[in-house]
Amino acid sequence: SYVLTQPPSVSVAPGQTAKITCGGSDIETKSVHWYQQRPGQAPVLVVYDDGDRPSGIPERFSGSNSGDTATLTISRVEAGDEADYSCQVWDSSSYQAVFGGGTRLTVL
Amino acid sequence: QVHLQESGPGLVKLSDTLSLTCAVSGYSVSSDHWWAWIRQTPGKGLEWIGYIYPSGSTYYSPSLKSRVTMTVDRSRNQISLKLTSVSLVDTAMYYCARSIGGAVRGVDYWGQGTPVTVAS
Repeated sequence: SYVLTQPPSVSVAPGQTAKITCGGSDIETKSVHWYQQRPGQAPVLVVYDDGDRPSGIPERFSGSNSGDTATLTISRVEAGDEADYSCQVWDSSSYQAVFGGGTRLTVL
Repeated sequence: QVHLQESGPGLVKLSDTLSLTCAVSGYSVSSDHWWAWIRQTPGKGLEWIGYIYPSGSTYYSPSLKSRVTMTVDRSRNQISLKLTSVSLVDTAMYYCARSIGGAVRGVDYWGQGTPVTVAS
């Protein structure tokens, strides 16, 4: 089955840029979605279809997808961005949704 | 505003059947969207359980397929999940969610989740 690989943790200082990667074989052929999950809360969609933002999500959140890696970029990081971030795709070859293991973003 | 609210027993005995419902408000479950169940074990990542379309078409996780049944109740505007022969590894927070648009892709609206503990 299809596997998505994320780093367990990423740390960044306030005001800097955070990049969270999601690796998968030929992931560029799939649409990647990103979710933010704060402690004790349900996940929130922050980027869909590689790089689109739902309404209400700040422009600081952006996404890209090329080769075997998709990337969620958070610019001008704020303390409130501290959360777990998970990527997800639909694998049409096996007809299943797949999540990455999640990345804990720590704001120093 | 789309709102999803999961409900369930909270505690299920080993080998029993887990039954959960997801009440949807502000949107019709009969509309052109897929509906998902997703779970998360304590301290772990998200695990997709399955998708169901208003017509009854489903996609299930291969690892759970033999034990999962999802249904849509149009009259009550809710979706349901049944998971048979539960074991300790089924202890998790269970979420329902709506797909982005009419295709199986990601999900945009999530419920707050309902915790399920499997115990002997």
